[in-house]
Amino acid sequence: DAGITQSPRHKVTETGTPVTLRCHQTENHRYMYWYRQDPGHGLRLIHYSYGVKDTDKGEVSDGYSVSRSKTEDFLLTLESATSSQTSVYFCAISDASGRGDTQYFGPGTRLTVL
Amino acid sequence: SQQGEEDPQALSIQEGENATMNCSYKTSINNLQWYRQNSGRGLVHLILIRSNEREKHSGRLRVTLDTSKKSSSLLITASRAADTASYFCAVRGRGSTLGRLYFGRGTQLTVWP
Repeated sequence: DAGITQSPRHKVTETGTPVTLRCHQTENHRYMYWYRQDPGHGLRLIHYSYGVKDTDKGEVSDGYSVSRSKTEDFLLTLESATSSQTSVYFCAISDASGRGDTQYFGPGTRLTVL
Repeated sequence: SQQGEEDPQALSIQEGENATMNCSYKTSINNLQWYRQNSGRGLVHLILIRSNEREKHSGRLRVTLDTSKKSSSLLITASRAADTASYFCAVRGRGSTLGRLYFGRGTQLTVWP
């Protein structure tokens, strides 16, 4: 999985609790992304980052925040988890160079909110 | 919506047969990419085709792009059981933010031995 790790890989939590997912890369790529994948919806972008401290919203950003204080780490926080946030979360990276913007994905985090 | 839409949603074939999946989109694009996802794993990039290209090959994969019809197809020749996976197209819209891709819902391919 191209030097990308996600932690934790599985998490079960209760409604209303805060949750932080971590994505770590060793590729020194500029762009990092958080997606969620749900049956019938495919892959939807939550937030992305185009540099340290530079982030922007995706299609489904409500209820999520992100931070990127170092090139290699991108954190996704659910401030107060809800059952609708039960999903599989994928981190991806890209160097988005002139050669193309291929994305490389981590192994995913399965989050269950009870 | 800028995302690609794959067709069919599911495809079931025998080993040795060819598998064809299609992707349609609505906007002008910079490039279109195909990804593969094995069950329980992250997506893996297969091939990228730019808007000024019409066909690309990579091993048993052949991708075509018809910008006039806003569609692309992915052909896997001589399929193997190991090709069983979900396949996604992703588009980079022309003028969209660098690095921003829009993914479809995927085609689930099952190859029977």
